[in-house]
Amino acid sequence: KNQVEQSPQSLIILEGKNCTLQCNYTVSPFSNLRWYKQDTGRGPVSLTIMTFSENTKSNGRYTATLDADTKQSSLHITASQLSDSASYICVVRVAGTALIFGKGTTLSVSS
Amino acid sequence: EAGVTQFPSHSVIEKGQTVTLRCDPISGHDNLYWYRRVMGKEIKFLLHFVKESKQDESGMPNNRFLAERTGGTYSTLKVQPAELEDSGVYFCASSQEGAEARASYNEQFFGPGTRLTVL
Repeated sequence: KNQVEQSPQSLIILEGKNCTLQCNYTVSPFSNLRWYKQDTGRGPVSLTIMTFSENTKSNGRYTATLDADTKQSSLHITASQLSDSASYICVVRVAGTALIFGKGTTLSVSS
Repeated sequence: EAGVTQFPSHSVIEKGQTVTLRCDPISGHDNLYWYRRVMGKEIKFLLHFVKESKQDESGMPNNRFLAERTGGTYSTLKVQPAELEDSGVYFCASSQEGAEARASYNEQFFGPGTRLTVL
């Protein structure tokens, strides 16, 4: 069964600190893996997209890694800001069009 | 450039009533997707249009749901009659029709969603 599991479910950190979110997937056939940021009341916004041949990709203070062998990905946020408070969703695309979503990690950054 | 828009932002209806959700994709995007998130669960795929044709409707829960995209522009998703378990946030997304080599990226841009509550 195609599944995407994320951890932790929620996370609270102080402004300026770093954090890492985890994603494990069992999806076949794998096409690519995406990390989305979803602010409250908004739709998800893409942060990074990686194919199986890409190990790491950065977007500003966000760095995503992918290990296609172990089927794990992580999203590292550096020097967190209050505006980083959101839900971060790991999404794996099955070859074709279907997207399989994780439940997300809710990040709260406090001052 | 305007992003994906959805209307209404919220809808509260009673069980048995009909509701129609609307999605306007980014201009020029041939691909349009509908997704749903019920409380406590992950976002799940409902269906995919390429222009006016249904490419994949494998995620549609049952025949109470009807999606249309006449003319290949905006899309509507009608729920008739609505049931309690239909409550959730319905997202629409759109993407360009990419060349085959880039098809795997096919970045989807999401709308803000319609929050549907069935009482």
